Amino acid sequence: AQSVAQPEDQVNVAEGNPLTVKCTYSVSGNPYLFWYVQYPNRGLQFLLKYITGDNLVKGSYGFEAEFNKSQTSFHLKKPSALVSDSALYFCAVRDISTGFQKLVFGTGTRLLVSP
Amino acid sequence: ETGVTQTPRHLVMGMTNKKSLKCEQHLGHNAMYWYKQSAKKPLELMFVYSLEERVENNSVPSRFSPECPNSSHLFLHLHTLQPEDSALYLCASSPGLEETQYFGPGTRLLVL
Repeated sequence: AQSVAQPEDQVNVAEGNPLTVKCTYSVSGNPYLFWYVQYPNRGLQFLLKYITGDNLVKGSYGFEAEFNKSQTSFHLKKPSALVSDSALYFCAVRDISTGFQKLVFGTGTRLLVSP
Repeated sequence: ETGVTQTPRHLVMGMTNKKSLKCEQHLGHNAMYWYKQSAKKPLELMFVYSLEERVENNSVPSRFSPECPNSSHLFLHLHTLQPEDSALYLCASSPGLEETQYFGPGTRLLVL
């Protein structure tokens, strides 16, 4: 079955510094990968996705993610963090091992951006 | 977040109560989903509907009963829940089954 791993429970970064939230995947076939963000007391918001094409995917709020096939990674990045970026970030992969292509989510990484 | 709305936002219920969660999407999507989000666990997909037909049932206990009367509305009927069912219940919709999902704000459920 397809899966994703988010190795860090929490990432701390100072405002203005670059941030990286890590995600690795395990899939059979071509991976369809997603990043979502969850702000306190809110639902998940779609940030970006990789289906095919350029390895660098640009998304909402200045975020981007780099698909690396050799390292089976899909890390989320932003050149300059904002305090308002503090939230819970989820990586997800589309599971094609069954007839229905459902999303499988990681356990989430909490990003804390300090002023 | 006005694309997918959920009511109520918070719910406290006893184990013998019956309640329902409501989800409405204003995006013209054809697929709708229920997820359960518990602390320190990945999101768990519970139910999927496509064009009002149930597509997926992930071995969810029968005390959770979904209903999809039309492509814009999705309900989750709750009956004789357990304290371990306390969680954030998220609704999502997508244009089709294989397309990007958009989530509502969730209903925070506490079972006493």
